[in-house]
This record gives sequence, C-alpha cells and structure tokens, in this order.
Amino acid sequence: GPKVLQIPSHQIIDMGQMVTLNCDPVSNHLYFYWYKQILGQQMEFLVNFYNGKVMEKSKLFKDQFSVERPDGSYFTLKIQPTALEDSAVYFCASSLIRLGGGETLYFGSGTRLTVL
Amino acid sequence: GQQVKQSSPSLTVQEGGILILNCDYENDMFDYFAWYKKYPDNSPTLLISVRSNVDKREDGRFTVFLNKSGKHFSLHITASQPEDTAVYLCAAGAGATGGNNKLTFGQGTVLSVIP
Repeated sequence: GPKVLQIPSHQIIDMGQMVTLNCDPVSNHLYFYWYKQILGQQMEFLVNFYNGKVMEKSKLFKDQFSVERPDGSYFTLKIQPTALEDSAVYFCASSLIRLGGGETLYFGSGTRLTVL
Repeated sequence: GQQVKQSSPSLTVQEGGILILNCDYENDMFDYFAWYKKYPDNSPTLLISVRSNVDKREDGRFTVFLNKSGKHFSLHITASQPEDTAVYLCAAGAGATGGNNKLTFGQGTVLSVIP
C-alpha cells in the first residue's frame, strides 16, 4: 500500500540545538500532518499543511516549531531551539484529500527524538 | 482534556476468541470514527472506519459499532489470531460537519492474542 517514509527513525540532540525531522509523504497526496506522542501518552495532533500553508495547529505547536515542504520535496518539522519536553515520537501523515469525506490518514513509522 | 478515551490499556485473549475494544468520545461534532492498528516501531494503519450516518460496519473478522447517543464506538474482533497482537488506536474526526481536518486519537489498547 501507500507508504510514508520518515528519516531518521531516531535522533538524539542536545537541548537548545535545532533539529529537522523529514517526511516523504505518499507521492500524490496533498495534505500533510505532524503528530507528537510522548512516551505512555496518546498521539496528539500538532499541525496540518496544505498548498504551502499551515491550515490548523494545536497548542502543542509552539513558536519554536515550523513546517514547510519546499518544491514538493520532504515535508519537514523544524524545532529551533529544542527543549527537554520536545522528547517524543513524531509521526508524519498524509492524505489525498481533506478528511471530511472519510479519507484515511497514512502514517510514517515515526522519528523518536531525544533531547538531552 | 482527553476528547477520545480508551478505557482498557491492555487486553489478553486466547486464540480463536472474540474480543471487544471500546472507545468513548466527548465532541458532538465528531462524524467519522476509525480504528488503527500499530505494530511496535511501525506506522499506525487504518483497520476499519465508519461515518456517523451508519451504526455498524463489518469487514471480515472486524466490525465497528457506533452509538452516537452514548458517544461510544467499539471494535469487535472474532476468531482472534496471534497476528492480531498489536496496539489498537481509536480515532475520531469532525471533518464533514466540524470543518476541521484532523483526527483525534485515544491512548491505545495493547492487545495480546495467546496461541
């Protein structure tokens, strides 16, 4: 089936550094999402993105976070600077159309970010 | 607060048995309900979903039941198999009625099917 790839699968960085998480969504999909899952908690919506713009973001999407997809390449989540509480697994997802029609989300396997 | 809640963190069933996973939600605007399955270090994958205009959908061994008045939906798995061992995530969305474009997930239920 359709695959969303996330690179890398694990990343360890020092607090205060910048990190970029990369996502290669399903090739013809138009809507892109990031979710955050802290260990032992549920997967929580961060942001969605369409046509080069953020459509919605949650309160977890702090000012230090940004997303972009330059020229149809990777969909990225950048955190600058990182904080200890940013340690989590970040899941990328994509969909062909808006979710209102029952369209499914396709997820990647996640990037485990550890901030020391 | 948690808008979507799974009451059982874990469940164990003997192979061949029937099991029920439950999910409660708070938002009246939710109109799409889904169950995702996740193996360790792998991606959540859609298992089955239902729109709010029906109260049941069956796909092979998997059936989702929706109780809108009770704000509750469940996943029934029959003839359980060891390969059903995974984390099951319920999710809900309000795309058609609420206008937003995201799914809200429960915390997950770890299912173990013993051979």
